[in-house]
Amino acid sequence: DVKVTQSSRYLVKRTGEKVFLECVQDMDHENMFWYRQDPGLGLRLIYFSYDVKMKEKGDIPEGYSVSREKKERFSLILESASTNQTSMYLCASSLGPSSRGGFFGQGTRLTVV
Amino acid sequence: QQPVQSPQAVILREGEDAVINCSSSKALYSVHWYRQKHGEAPVFLMILLKGGEQKGHEKISASFNEKKQQSSLYLTASQLSYSGTYFCGTAQGGSEKLVFGKGTKLTVNP
Repeated sequence: DVKVTQSSRYLVKRTGEKVFLECVQDMDHENMFWYRQDPGLGLRLIYFSYDVKMKEKGDIPEGYSVSREKKERFSLILESASTNQTSMYLCASSLGPSSRGGFFGQGTRLTVV
Repeated sequence: QQPVQSPQAVILREGEDAVINCSSSKALYSVHWYRQKHGEAPVFLMILLKGGEQKGHEKISASFNEKKQQSSLYLTASQLSYSGTYFCGTAQGGSEKLVFGKGTKLTVNP
């Protein structure tokens, strides 16, 4: 079974802190994604990576950056956390081309105080 | 560009049918359907790639219209286990970048 593992289920950080959310997948997938999920807004794409060191901005990249130094690991970085970044963050991976579906991690509930 | 899903919510009794729609203003490369139960991660249901394609998964099936701008998810003879939020994800222009709609909350009551 494919596993997408996010490093933390719950995180509490202070405003202005630099925050790292880590995601690891074990199936050699090319594509990896970071989404945030807020009530009534669905899943909004923050960043997408289709290969090592390759990335594309999603719909809401402001205040975030990403790093993909190894194929299996995709990190989301909040440069200076703010309270409006309090949310559920979901990582996903998929095998391209689009002949198969994707797999999501269990999510990280981030609270910025 | 986020696809538009409708309806936002639907309530059914066991055994009833439902249709969830997903549309885009531009032709799509692919449509993916996921279901998320409360407190859990979204789970992949199916993917459609070709215009005119239809796919089935037990009593849940989906179609992708010829212009590749709209997809519908069909849930027939609904079961309690079908409850959850359904998301369509879409990709454009040959890219694998997947953007989701806001979701449709389906509640199936006894």
